Order: sequence, then structure tokens, then C-alpha cells
Amino acid sequence: AQTVTQSQPEMSVQEAETVTLSCTYDTSESDYYLFWYKQPPSRQMILVIRQEAYKQQNATENRFSVNFQKAAKSFSLKISDSQLGDAAMYFCAYRSAWGRDDKIIFGKGTRLHILP
Amino acid sequence: ETGVTQTPRHLVMGMTNKKSLKCEQHLGHNAMYWYKQSAKKPLELMFVYNFKEQTENNSVPSRFSPECPNSSHLFLHLHTLQPEDSALYLCASSQEGSVRGYGYTFGSGTRLTVV
Repeated sequence: AQTVTQSQPEMSVQEAETVTLSCTYDTSESDYYLFWYKQPPSRQMILVIRQEAYKQQNATENRFSVNFQKAAKSFSLKISDSQLGDAAMYFCAYRSAWGRDDKIIFGKGTRLHILP
Repeated sequence: ETGVTQTPRHLVMGMTNKKSLKCEQHLGHNAMYWYKQSAKKPLELMFVYNFKEQTENNSVPSRFSPECPNSSHLFLHLHTLQPEDSALYLCASSQEGSVRGYGYTFGSGTRLTVV
């Protein structure tokens, strides 16, 4: 079974600085999707960025980018120019691309604090 | 209204009460999910519905009873709950098939407190 591990329960970063959130996963599959979700105090989980495993190019969305290392099974999220609105819980997630089991598997989350 | 809507936003109920949580999606998705999110615990998948049929029940106690009358609506009926059932209940929807890469769309959740 696939697993997703986020080893940093909490992190803090100064406003305007850059922070990297770590995520590793375990799978025997070669084709899958990876996601980072953000859950602010408003509680709604919002998709921040997604990566397709067959694409070597790292995904970017404005100030958010990922470092996808398929061989190492690592999928870190980099937030540049951190803003107060980035304060939230961040979840790394995995989803198989094929097969009957198509559930998203979530990590335990990393709470990110932005220091003014 | 767009996206996934959950009502009520907050709910306080006694252990002998019966209440229901409602989830509605306006995205044309064909799969819906209930998650439980407790403090200091990971997201727990409770139920999965595909095309109105329940395809997964992760050993959820019978005091939680889901209902999916159509692909757009999902309910979670609650009765004789315990204080440890207090949590944030999240609903999500997804388009199954070849578009798994788009992930889930979540609602804002219902904060449930059992007293």
C-alpha cells in the first residue's frame, strides 16, 4: 500500500522569505499524481499544486514550486516570498493514475507559521 | 453556487440527538467522499461513493450512516454519538476515470461538537 510521510509537523518562516516543506512517499507504481493541499483557518482544503509522475519537469504555480525526485520518492514544496496568507496546514498527497484504488492518500500535514 | 457546499458549518449535539450533515457539489463530479479530521490526527477517510453507490466504508461505527441519493448530494446521518466523535467533517468530490490528476474539491467542513 502507498504511504505519504511529512516529517515536519510544524515550521515557521519570516515573511518574504522562502520555505521548503518536505514530503516523501512510498509506492511500487510508476504512474501516479502528487498534490499539495493547503488548509487555512477557514478550513477548506485548497489544491495548491499538482505533479504528474511521468513528467520530469517540476510544476510551478506563481510563488509555489515543487522539487519532484521520482527515484528518491520525494516531493517537496517551496514557497517563495512568503506572505501572511500562506499560514496554513499543508498536506502532501498521492493518487494512483490507474487501477481500481483511486483514493487520494494524505500525509499528516505540516503547519506553517508566517512570522511578520 | 459553485464548488462543494457543506451545511451546517457548526453543529453542537447531545449524545442522544439525531442530526444530519449535508454536502452538495455543483461540479458535475461522480464521486463523493466523507473525511473526519480530528485534532492531532491525520485525515480519516470514512466513506466513498461512486455514481451513487457506496464503494468504501472504512470500518466506520454504525452511528454514522451515509446516504447518497444522487451524484450531487451526500448526507451523513448521525445518532447516539460519543464525545470522541467531535471533529471537523469534510466532504469532497472528484471526477473519476481518466481525470484523477485533478484531485479532489473539498467543502469547508462541518465542525461537530458532541456534548
